[in-house]
Parts: sequence; structure tokens; C-alpha cells
Amino acid sequence: SQKIEQNSEALNIQEGKTATLTCNYTNYSPAYLQWYRQDPGRGPVFLLLIRENEKEKRKERLKVTFDTTLKQSLFHITASQPADSATYLCALHTDKLIFGTGTRLQVFP
Amino acid sequence: EAQVTQNPRYLITVTGKKLTVTCSQNMNHEYMSWYRQDPGLGLRQIYYSMNVEVTDKGDVPEGYKVSRKEKRNFPLILESPSPNQTSLYFCASSLLGTSGMYEQYFGPGTRLTVT
Repeated sequence: SQKIEQNSEALNIQEGKTATLTCNYTNYSPAYLQWYRQDPGRGPVFLLLIRENEKEKRKERLKVTFDTTLKQSLFHITASQPADSATYLCALHTDKLIFGTGTRLQVFP
Repeated sequence: EAQVTQNPRYLITVTGKKLTVTCSQNMNHEYMSWYRQDPGLGLRQIYYSMNVEVTDKGDVPEGYKVSRKEKRNFPLILESPSPNQTSLYFCASSLLGTSGMYEQYFGPGTRLTVT
């Protein structure tokens, strides 16, 4: 069956460190993958999109990698700050957009 | 300001009482979609629309209806709400490219409770 897996447990890291979040998928062949940030009670906000023929994408302190062989995307936040604390969702685009359940990131001072 | 608006933001209703949640976007996006979000289940798509008068079922369409008479509006209709439709609902819109939709712009959400 088709599945998207993100770490269900919260990721707790210290301010200034690099946070790495994982998105694994099975039985999909996505044309591209997106990452969103969601704060409690609010709608998701788009962060980055990476296509299947791209290995890496960067935006300010954010970096996304996409390995179609491993069926995995990694999302990195460098020099993390308490304001980065949120839930991060990955979404795969096949014929439609399929969301993972998200990983909650907590950055403590 | 480019945005997706939803109304109402909060709604408590009783089983069987028809309701409509409105969604409007001001970005001239072709694609619009409704999602529900439940703990542990993530965002699940209810219905989507690729353009005016074009709608299709998502993953969890049972108990919902939609219409797309104008490009900017995409209301979600619950003809006879039941308690299992208690959830947080999001409307989203995006441009459509040759390989599908681009990044989604989400509304602020509607928290619905059906008693």
C-alpha cells in the first residue's frame, strides 16, 4: 500500500543546532515534493518545493534533499531558533498532493 | 493582500442540520481544494476543483458536497452533518502548471464540532 512516513515523535533540539526532519514514502513515484510549516490552529504555509530531477534545494536557512532511489526527503533547518518551533509537513505530488502527518519540532534556548 | 478566507472560523452544530463553509481566494488560482485534519491522520483531501464547474472527489468525500460556480469561491456543504465530521477543515488554492498544481495557499481553518 502507499504510505508517507514522517517521525511521529517530536524532535527536540537546542537553539543554534541543525534540525533534520525525514520524510519517507513507499509505492509512490512523485513528480515533486513540497514542505510546509504549520503552527497550532493555523493553516499550513508553503516552504519549499523540490522536483524529482533535483537533488537539493535551498532557501535561506532551509535545505531540502530528495532521493528518489531511497524514496526519501530530508528537510534541514540550520542555526535553528525557538521561532522555528512548529509542525513540518511533507507532501508528495503524484496525480494529487498527499500529505504526511507531520513532525513537531521544538527548539529550546 | 493575497489570501484564502474561510467562514465561519468556528462552528458548533447539531447532527443533521445542513451547513455550508465558504472559501474564497483572491489570487485567480485555478485549483482549489478542501482538506480535513484530524489528530494522527494528518491532512486528508475531501474534494478538489481544477477550474470552474470541474470538481472531483478526494480521499474522504463521503458526507460532503462542493460546487465551483465562480473561480474565486469553493464552498463546502455538509447536507446532514454527523459527529464523525467533527474536525478542523482547511481550504487551499494554487496555480495549475503543466505538471500539476504548485504550492498550496491555505486558509485559516474552520473548526467544526457536530454534537
